[in-house]
Amino acid sequence: DQQVKQNSPSLSVQEGRISILNCDYTNSMFDYFLWYKKYPAEGPTFLISISSIKDKNEDGRFTVFLNKSAKHLSLHIVPSQPGDSAVYFCAASARAGNMLTFGGGTRLMVKP
Amino acid sequence: KAGVTQTPRYLIKTRGQQVTLSCSPISGHRSVSWYQQTPGQGLQFLFEYFSETQRNKGNFPGRFSGRQFSNSRSEMNVSTLELGDSALYLCASSLLTGGLRNEQFFGPGTRLTVL
Repeated sequence: DQQVKQNSPSLSVQEGRISILNCDYTNSMFDYFLWYKKYPAEGPTFLISISSIKDKNEDGRFTVFLNKSAKHLSLHIVPSQPGDSAVYFCAASARAGNMLTFGGGTRLMVKP
Repeated sequence: KAGVTQTPRYLIKTRGQQVTLSCSPISGHRSVSWYQQTPGQGLQFLFEYFSETQRNKGNFPGRFSGRQFSNSRSEMNVSTLELGDSALYLCASSLLTGGLRNEQFFGPGTRLTVL
């Protein structure tokens, strides 16, 4: 039973355009959501997070949107750059601890 | 500020052996969590330690164990290795356990290969 799902395994975007990565979750206890970026053979790098009391959080080129009623979150990258090419994971946790439940990842390719 | 460090970075073992992996968290961080990444199962939570106590445990067999020392450094141990234990093992540290705005920062991982 996958509690966090990223239904698009890959996404290709032209440099300068917007990248939108999506994530769905099923567990109503999740109240904190994070996005990580990962290169091969490296650990995930934290990008941005959002708590369930907000519906939007922005940090530079990265914006995360949370729709609690739909149990859906998305990461927008504007403008996309070739260096953004990586695998992106969304993750969720409940307040009780640091156990992160990860989605399966989306490979983003930004073409010059 | 130094990041999370993990040693060794690569390890090759044979079935039936045991292995110990080490993780040093970011200075001041008291929570250390361990994750396993495999192509088939993705990133899965193993366990979390906070102030030398195991706080949470994922759905892994008892062959997987860990501990945390008073300086917050952590080790995980896998006994009686199986081929399916081949994976990238990631350690993450955070300032606190639980709560909001509690980002976890990951180390580079230890690549374990079981032959």
